[in-house]
Amino acid sequence: GESVGLHLPTLSVQEGDNSIINCAYSNSASDYFIWYKQESGKGPQFIIDIRSNMDKRQGQRVTVLLNKTVKHLSLQIAATQPGDSAVYFCAESLPNTGNQFYFGTGTSLTVIP
Amino acid sequence: KAGVTQTPRYLIKTRGQQVTLSCSPISGHRSVSWYQQTPGQGLQFLFEYFSETQRNKGNFPGRFSGRQFSNSRSEMNVSTLELGDSALYLCASSLRTGDEKLFFGSGTQLSVL
Repeated sequence: GESVGLHLPTLSVQEGDNSIINCAYSNSASDYFIWYKQESGKGPQFIIDIRSNMDKRQGQRVTVLLNKTVKHLSLQIAATQPGDSAVYFCAESLPNTGNQFYFGTGTSLTVIP
Repeated sequence: KAGVTQTPRYLIKTRGQQVTLSCSPISGHRSVSWYQQTPGQGLQFLFEYFSETQRNKGNFPGRFSGRQFSNSRSEMNVSTLELGDSALYLCASSLRTGDEKLFFGSGTQLSVL
C-alpha cells in the first residue's frame, strides 16, 4: 500500500526576520537536547545543544529555550538568511542511554529573499 | 579535519539480498551511531558502538546488525532485505558516548526493489 509520510510543519520567513521553530518533546526524563539542521542531500548538522539543568542557551545567531514544565523546546534564529533554509530537527536523549537520540518530525524552514 | 565518511553513497538491491554499509568516523572519535531516515518514520536510532562494543540498540529486527573495528570504523549489515528497508542510513560519530553532540555523514541511500 501507499506509505504515509510524516506531516512536516513548514515555516516561511522573510530574509532578515527572526525565525522561531518549536518542538514538543516526549519524555519528561530526557536530560539532553540538540537542534540539528538538515539540507537536501546532506546529513543533519549540529546547531546547538542544551542540558535539562538550563532553560536558555545562546550561540551565534541562534538561541535555544527549554521549558521542562510543558516539555517544549524552541530554536530562535536571528536575522534569518537564505542559507538557513533547511529542515530543522530537535532531538532528545534520556540519561544513561549513550548517544541514542529520539528525533522530532522536523520543521521545514524556507527563507524568502 | 575530515568529516564522517559513508560509503557507498547510493545502493540498489533486490529483496532477499543482504547489504553492508561502511562508516569512517572523524579522527579521534570513538563512538559511532547509526540512524535510519525514512519519509514515514523520520530519523530512528539503530545502534551505537563505542570501543568496539555495542552500547545500545534501537527497536529494529535482528536482520540489522553492526560492528566496530579497532580503528573506530564501523559497518552495518542488513540481511534478507525487505522493501521497507529502503531508506537513508546515516552514520554519526562523537568523541565519547553519552550526551554527546553527533556529527553525521551524508548517508547511504539504499533502495530495495
